[in-house]
Amino acid sequence: GQQVMQIPQYQHVQEGEDFTTYCNSSTTLSNIQWYKQRPGGHPVFLIQLVKSGEVKKQKRLTFQFGEAKKNSSLHITATQTTDVGTYFCAGPAAGNKLTFGGGTRVLVKP
Amino acid sequence: DAGVTQSPTHLIKTRGQQVTLRCSPKSGHDTVSWYQQALGQGPQFIFQYYEEEERQRGNFPDRFSGHQFPNYSSELNVNALWLGDSALYLCASSLAGGLRYFGSGTRLTVV
Repeated sequence: GQQVMQIPQYQHVQEGEDFTTYCNSSTTLSNIQWYKQRPGGHPVFLIQLVKSGEVKKQKRLTFQFGEAKKNSSLHITATQTTDVGTYFCAGPAAGNKLTFGGGTRVLVKP
Repeated sequence: DAGVTQSPTHLIKTRGQQVTLRCSPKSGHDTVSWYQQALGQGPQFIFQYYEEEERQRGNFPDRFSGHQFPNYSSELNVNALWLGDSALYLCASSLAGGLRYFGSGTRLTVV
């Protein structure tokens, strides 16, 4: 079945620095979705990318969908303490179910 | 406009017992999906309900069952609980399989 992998599993970032987290699917995706889950919280939808090579920005967050629609990345600039949490990518599998990656846990050092 | 609501928020059960979790979807949404999120992992798809029928199922045993009511609310039932069933159970609603909105989840602890 479809597998979605995310790297790194953990990201320790100094406040103010940039970082990127990556998502790779074993199959071609019709779209890729990103979610953020704060500690003790639930996944909150951030964005959906649909087109090959698509790039979308949300303030300091930049999301990219690969040309082959099998990978995606999330780049955060000037990391803040509010960025703490786990970032998940998810792609629809056969029948419309969402398959989530294992997530990247972001810790920010002030 | 109420979002997705789940009850209860926390639950402690003993091995072998049965549990029922409840979900009310976001207003206007007709599809409910259930996910299990073990500690430190991503959500795993359990099943999806639409028009009161199970439309799709993930890799979970028959101990996991569900129901959707005419008002689109849903229940997740787990029989013969194992310690390994301890997790955060998330309900997500959508309109015709579109973007999912997650509830705050039910934290189930099996002792």
